[in-house]
Amino acid sequence: NAGVMQNPRHLVRRRGQEARLRCSPMKGHSHVYWYRQLPEEGLKFMVYLQKENIIDESGMPKERFSAEFPKEGPSILRIQQVVRGDSAAYFCASSPQRIDRGNQPQHFGDGTRLSIL
Amino acid sequence: LAKTTQPISMDSYEGQEVNITCSHNNIATNDYITWYQQFPSQGPRFIIQGYKTKVTNEVASLFIPADRKSSTLSLPRVSLSDTAVYYCLVGARKGTDKLIFGTGTRLQVFP
Repeated sequence: NAGVMQNPRHLVRRRGQEARLRCSPMKGHSHVYWYRQLPEEGLKFMVYLQKENIIDESGMPKERFSAEFPKEGPSILRIQQVVRGDSAAYFCASSPQRIDRGNQPQHFGDGTRLSIL
Repeated sequence: LAKTTQPISMDSYEGQEVNITCSHNNIATNDYITWYQQFPSQGPRFIIQGYKTKVTNEVASLFIPADRKSSTLSLPRVSLSDTAVYYCLVGARKGTDKLIFGTGTRLQVFP
């Protein structure tokens, strides 16, 4: 019963390059969320997707950031032309279509740590 | 979504009971209270969720007074492995709501 899988765990990019972060939700989960965490801070919501649809991207920067969750395959968070300020831990979470009594709202992966040189 | 306030840090010793209180004065009628635990280099892990009174599971207890403006996470007999950051979140129970994290409470357990 695999949990939320994120890869890579660590990613190093130079300024101006592109970063692609992948997230495979738990089996049977159709909702995916991306969060960003800076050191010593709580997680900040970025975007919420269902299969092939972006539901809420209110936390996503308007420039350079995009996310998708295709019909087949993992969800991808893409950061173009990275800058030093993009260095952070990026977490993905997933949830099932329906939350039953006692179930947790969202299951998290262990994140991708992005470092920009 | 309701804002939460919790202590920045707490210290404890192994074997003691730890109580972390969270204030959420603007909690809405349909909001639930959820606690997550986060270890370094890992994603948050769900601990417990409740709406009112008391909820207990194999890991912790959650106490919620009648006015629901605060809640207390109780960890019985902590061990060194309970050293982590604990987040209190308030929101609707649906999994489709984005989670709003504060800065959390950093619990340090000493031998």
